[in-house]
Amino acid sequence: DTAVSQTPKYLVTQMGNDKSIKCEQNLGHDTMYWYKQDSKKFLKIMFSYNNKELIINETVPNRFSPKSPDKAHLNLHINSLELGDSAVYFCASSLGSSMNTEAFFGQGTRLTVV
Amino acid sequence: GEDVEQSLFLSVREGDSSVINCTYTDSSSTYLYWYKQEPGAGLQLLTYIFSNMDMKQDQRLTVLLNKKDKHLSLRIADTQTGDSAIYFCAEVWGMTGRRALTFGSGTRLQVQP
Repeated sequence: DTAVSQTPKYLVTQMGNDKSIKCEQNLGHDTMYWYKQDSKKFLKIMFSYNNKELIINETVPNRFSPKSPDKAHLNLHINSLELGDSAVYFCASSLGSSMNTEAFFGQGTRLTVV
Repeated sequence: GEDVEQSLFLSVREGDSSVINCTYTDSSSTYLYWYKQEPGAGLQLLTYIFSNMDMKQDQRLTVLLNKKDKHLSLRIADTQTGDSAIYFCAEVWGMTGRRALTFGSGTRLQVQP
């Protein structure tokens, strides 16, 4: 059983489109995250939710809107896609928001904007 | 990631030891982590160390922590070609109840047969 699963794994789309990436965790964790990994492999936190509440929002354009329908799911919707949005997006989860335990990562979604 | 520093590249021969270094910034970080990323894959936790420890050994992996210098290292003994990957150190960032991992730039380990 996959602990943190993201769909789709690959996403190729044109500039200006709107797209969503879905994430689900079956670990019973309270906290979920979205990270962005750029072409140089730098990983940056974008958002974090704890029990469906947004707790971290790190200087991300408002074209990015996370949604957490329940604590097992955290989806990422991106409006008006730009070339610079091309990256690998990783979802992660942890037991709580104090990070006293490890974070588990999904396999990533490679987004290519053309 | 710019606050957690790592060298970008390390090349070793199979059977040698690899040492990957990291300098972090937040001395209040309770845990420090090492993650491994293989090509096209997600991040896998390799090991972690609690901040009140100086050393942790786990099979071929040895983590050393120097809190005074905020320096963390990962030593891989008897490095194998399957160890070729990018290795990220990570510290905990943020305020109580609003924390996340912040990562170094990653060190690409290349193991020559």
